[in-house]
Amino acid sequence: GAGVSQSPSNKVTEKGKDVELRCDPISGHTALYWYRQSLGQGLEFLIYFQGNSAPDKSGLPSDRFSAERTGGSVSTLTIQRTQQEDSAVYLCASSPGAYPAQPQHFGDGTRLSIL
Amino acid sequence: GDSVTQMEGPVTLSEEACLTINCTYTATGYPSLFWYVQYPGEGLQLLLKATKADDKGSNKGFEATYRKETTSFHLEKGSVQVSDSAVYFCASRENRDDKIIFGKGTRLHILP
Repeated sequence: GAGVSQSPSNKVTEKGKDVELRCDPISGHTALYWYRQSLGQGLEFLIYFQGNSAPDKSGLPSDRFSAERTGGSVSTLTIQRTQQEDSAVYLCASSPGAYPAQPQHFGDGTRLSIL
Repeated sequence: GDSVTQMEGPVTLSEEACLTINCTYTATGYPSLFWYVQYPGEGLQLLLKATKADDKGSNKGFEATYRKETTSFHLEKGSVQVSDSAVYFCASRENRDDKIIFGKGTRLHILP
């Protein structure tokens, strides 16, 4: 379909390993967002891209988290030296970005489990 | 900073009951307001939105009115169905910076 695509849909890894989560936004959407949804918690904003630049990185919980976006399209969220508290569903969203009041279109998320 | 507060769940109702999920926001400007829904096992999807004061968003029998005087955007439905069981998120977005702010979500259970 033409929606936001995230991969993998599920990831189980051992504590201390690095993981990469991928987001493929809707074609033509310039804005891309990463969120985290932990069990029992609401959505937590992580980072937002406008094109390839990230004007707002305020939500990244620690320096183990980083994200990049290339070609104004695909984005990768990387978590280094994973910890158990990193276990969550990581959601990506995109929006046209250029206009006000544009809602975000969400992917189905990557469920990350740290053993 | 800007924030969104919504009633905590879970909310459990019988089918055909009347639903209200409260949501209030704080913002320095005049944000756009949204309700998102997450059905079991699915991703988030937009339910409805309102972009200015007194606007009413509606979809699938749900309604919410943008009340500037009370800074609220309560979600309402006159007669709920089992299929409405989901988690509902209220959200706001300041037009100036595109960042969307979510409430913590309200889990709704509808009993047959």
